[in-house]
Amino acid sequence: DQQVKQNSPSLSVQEGRISILNCDYTNSMFDYFLWYKKYPAEGPTFLISISSIKDKNEDGRFTVFLNKSAKHLSLHIVPSQPGDSAVYFCAASAKYAGGTSYGKLTFGQGTILTVHP
Amino acid sequence: NAGVMQNPRHLVRRRGQEARLRCSPMKGHSHVYWYRQLPEEGLKFMVYLQKENIIDESGMPKERFSAEFPKEGPSILRIQQVVRGDSAAYFCASSPSMDIANYGYTFGSGTRLTVV
Repeated sequence: DQQVKQNSPSLSVQEGRISILNCDYTNSMFDYFLWYKKYPAEGPTFLISISSIKDKNEDGRFTVFLNKSAKHLSLHIVPSQPGDSAVYFCAASAKYAGGTSYGKLTFGQGTILTVHP
Repeated sequence: NAGVMQNPRHLVRRRGQEARLRCSPMKGHSHVYWYRQLPEEGLKFMVYLQKENIIDESGMPKERFSAEFPKEGPSILRIQQVVRGDSAAYFCASSPSMDIANYGYTFGSGTRLTVV
């Protein structure tokens, strides 16, 4: 049961253009969403997150959009740079009984982003 | 301030041997999570531990796998009688709190287990 899905295995973008990575989820209990970047032979590195009470969060070149009704989130990278080439994972967390966002993350399969100079 | 340290980085075991993977969380972090990444897949949650306690082991295979996080020392993920299907990258992450929205969550670089 794939509760978090990234339907595009790969994305190729020209340097300077926008990269849009998409993620869909099925579990309505998810309330906190994260994007990670991962290089080969390294652990995932946190990029940006969003709580379910928001629909947008911005940090420099990275913006995450959340559409709760569609159970869809997206990561926009503008402008894209060759150093952004990596695997991008979206992940989701559900609230624990105590009301805090719980550290057990459910990951998508990842999207390989390639930014060409 | 060192990050999450995992060792060894690479581990080769023959079928039937035991594998021990170690994770030292960041200083001040008492919450540890283990994930497994099979080839071409995303990370899958295995187990969540606090010091001396297993909080959530819903992702752990029922047999051969165990985890601990003792009062002193690193967290250990132990796989007994390894099989080829156990070959994967194993990542741990640590946090100072289960409230990751406010306190963050840091991954180690992983241990790549190869079973031959």
